[in-house]
Amino acid sequence: SQQGEEDPQALSIQEGENATMNCSYKTSINNLQWYRQNSGRGLVHLILIRSNEREKHSGRLRVTLDTSKKSSSLLITASRAADTASYFCATDKGNKLVFGAGTILRVKS
Amino acid sequence: DAGVIQSPRHEVTEMGQEVTLRCKPISGHDYLFWYRQTMMRGLELLIYFNNNVPIDDSGMPEDRFSAKMPNASFSTLKIQPSEPRDSAVYFCASSLGPADVQYFGAGTRLSVL
Repeated sequence: SQQGEEDPQALSIQEGENATMNCSYKTSINNLQWYRQNSGRGLVHLILIRSNEREKHSGRLRVTLDTSKKSSSLLITASRAADTASYFCATDKGNKLVFGAGTILRVKS
Repeated sequence: DAGVIQSPRHEVTEMGQEVTLRCKPISGHDYLFWYRQTMMRGLELLIYFNNNVPIDDSGMPEDRFSAKMPNASFSTLKIQPSEPRDSAVYFCASSLGPADVQYFGAGTRLSVL
């Protein structure tokens, strides 16, 4: 079974709007990562947040982590058409990363 | 560094044929991972290596799949014989640690007819 589960499965928004994706996981973690995958490409790392951190920013990305609820969210502000992609969370389980099923984000221009 | 390099980018073969996928990890990364991605099953970890040694191959679907890492700069994933249900995108990734940031190759899209 997957450690991380993203929600929603798909999201369609207008350019300029904010996009929020959520990730829930089952067991305790040391860190949680978010990745982006453009169509036909490999996954690209976006941000890593450690279990003792609550919030992290990188450009237009904001990630929060709530270890009591075993959940994380990825917020993309002022979205652009180029943000259209699949977004995955990944949690460490044992000595490996386990990826969720992903959220497909479509940003309409 | 050019990043993780996979070849070929696309492979079309007939059922029963042997398929070999290749990967060159980022220099200095001690961990190499092979994943398979399908619409139905998402991204699955097949096997990973640490310092060229296979550590966990529990994700390898069956004996038709094998992976080797003869040196720190090269790994192969072999499917023999291939079957239509093996059609998927296969990714290689490398990292400094087992749960550190992973750097993915562009993938090999395999179609078994």
